Formats: sequence, structure tokens, C-alpha cells
Amino acid sequence: KQEVTQIPAALSVPEGENLVLNCSFTDSAIYNLQWFRQDPGKGLTSLLLIQSSQREQTSGRLNASLDKSSGRSTLYIAASQPGDSATYLCAVPRGSQGNLIFGKGTKLSVKP
Amino acid sequence: DAGVTQSPTHLIKTRGQQVTLRCSPKSGHDTVSWYQQALGQGPQFIFQYYEEEERQRGNFPDRFSGHQFPNYSSELNVNALLLGDSALYLCASSIRPADTQYFGPGTRLTVL
Repeated sequence: KQEVTQIPAALSVPEGENLVLNCSFTDSAIYNLQWFRQDPGKGLTSLLLIQSSQREQTSGRLNASLDKSSGRSTLYIAASQPGDSATYLCAVPRGSQGNLIFGKGTKLSVKP
Repeated sequence: DAGVTQSPTHLIKTRGQQVTLRCSPKSGHDTVSWYQQALGQGPQFIFQYYEEEERQRGNFPDRFSGHQFPNYSSELNVNALLLGDSALYLCASSIRPADTQYFGPGTRLTVL
């Protein structure tokens, strides 16, 4: 049974710091892994999707890496800004099906 | 191009009542998935509709039911509401069942 874990549950950093969010999964046979951002009480915004054949994806100040063999992914945020404050969720598909299995998220707070 | 839309935004019900939530998929998408997100948790998969049929179902009781219409829009119905049904209900659409999902803003359901 696939389980997704995110550590830490919460993180507070001063503005300008580089930071890493962690995501681990128990079954390495994944098709892809996706990182989402969620603002309080809002829906999910997809940030990055890494296919199983890829090692990393970059979008602006965000870089996500994937190591299937170890069951881990990291989301690196460079030069953090207060506007980055949100909950970040990672998710993997259940087998070849479309429905997603999510971690509980990391709540990030960037202080000015 | 409108993204995924959901209605209503917020809803307050009392225990034992029934509720219907609505979702319109992104243009060109024919598959709709529903998720429940309790406070502080990651979204949990409820079910997925494709070709007007329920194709996949998560671990939710029969009180949760749905429907997909010929225009691909979908409804989520919850009967005999419990306090524990209070959550953010997210709808996601995709081009095909196993393709990348795009999420709507969610409906916040409060059961008193």
C-alpha cells in the first residue's frame, strides 16, 4: 500500500533563505510525482510534475528532484519570499490509475 | 479558457441532512475526480467519473455518491451528513482517467 509522508509538518524561515521540503513514498513503482501549493482554504495549484524517468524539474525559483530508488523527492525553494508562505503537498498516482495519494503537507511561513 | 469550477464556495448544513456539490471540468477534459480534505490533512480520493460512470472509488461509505452528466460536469452527493464530513471538497478534471489532474478551488462544507 502506497503511503506518502512529508517532513517537516511546518517550517518557519526568514525571508531570503533557501529551503528544502521533503517527501517520501513507500512504493518506488510510481509513474510520476507532483508538487502542489495550497493557500489557506483554497484549492491546489500544481507547481511541478516529475515523470518517473526524470531526475528533476525546474520552474523559476523552484526545483524538484526525484529519487525513485530511495523513495524520496525534494522541493528546493531559492531565495524565499513572504509570498511563498503556503502549504506544500506532494502526491503520487495510485498505480497506473489517475487518482492521487497525497502527503499531509508542509506548512511554510516566510517571515519578512 | 476557464479552469475547473466548483459551486457553491461555502455550505453549512446540519447533521442528517443531504448535500449536493457541483463541478465543471476544464475545457476539453472528460474525467472528473473528487477529493475530501479535512483540516490539516492531505486530500483523500473519493471517486472518479469517466463516460458517465464511476470508474474508481476510494475508501468512502455509500453515503457518498456521484453523477456525471453528458457535458462531463459532475455532482457529489452526501447523505445523512455527519460532523466528520466537514471538510474542503475538491474536484479535479483530466483529459483521460490516468492523465494529469487540474484542481478547482473547492467547496467548504461545514456540518453543525
